[in-house]
Amino acid sequence: EPEVTQTPSHQVTQMGQEVILRCVPISNHLYFYWYRQILGQKVEFLVSFYNNEISEKSEIFDDQFSVERPDGSNFTLKIRSTKLEDSAMYFCASRGIQGAGQPQHFGDGTRLSIL
Amino acid sequence: AQSVTQLDSQVPVFEEAPVELRCNYSSSVSVYLFWYVQYPNQGLQLLLKYLSGSTLVKGINGFEAEFNKSQTSFHLRKPSVHISDTAEYFCAVIRPNAGGTSYGKLTFGQGTILTVHP
Repeated sequence: EPEVTQTPSHQVTQMGQEVILRCVPISNHLYFYWYRQILGQKVEFLVSFYNNEISEKSEIFDDQFSVERPDGSNFTLKIRSTKLEDSAMYFCASRGIQGAGQPQHFGDGTRLSIL
Repeated sequence: AQSVTQLDSQVPVFEEAPVELRCNYSSSVSVYLFWYVQYPNQGLQLLLKYLSGSTLVKGINGFEAEFNKSQTSFHLRKPSVHISDTAEYFCAVIRPNAGGTSYGKLTFGQGTILTVHP
């Protein structure tokens, strides 16, 4: 069964450094998402991406965050200048075109640790 | 805006016992409802979903859930659990927009850790 893959599984970065989290969505999917889960808290929506542009973003997704689909397969989340509070598990998800009732398929996540 | 409340943060249960994980939601409009499971060091995997129709939905691994509109609940049940069901379970909702298409932002509950003891 096709799956969403995320790399790296664990990223350790110094505060203030830039970090790029990578995702390869399922190949025929057209909607892409990033979520994050701070330890002990809810999974929170960050951003959705469709047709090569951001379709919706949360309050968390400020100017320090950006997303990109640089080629036909990768979907990346960049944090320009990391803060301690960016430490979390980041999940990428994708879904097909049939509508919101189609399930989102999640990757295994990248654990981001900011020192 | 939608919100989801999972009333129990942890549920311990013995193997072969029944279990119910509770989920309540709040929304001014109709929503789609989902249950996801997260095994240790893995991503979120869909267990089941409710879009419309029959209020009792069956999912993978013997789980089922019942949608109750009047109580705005979507509780997850399994009649007999196994050790392998130990995981964290998330209830989530999506609001379809009026046009029938939606970018489909999921709103999650806090999660319930189910621990099955031998």
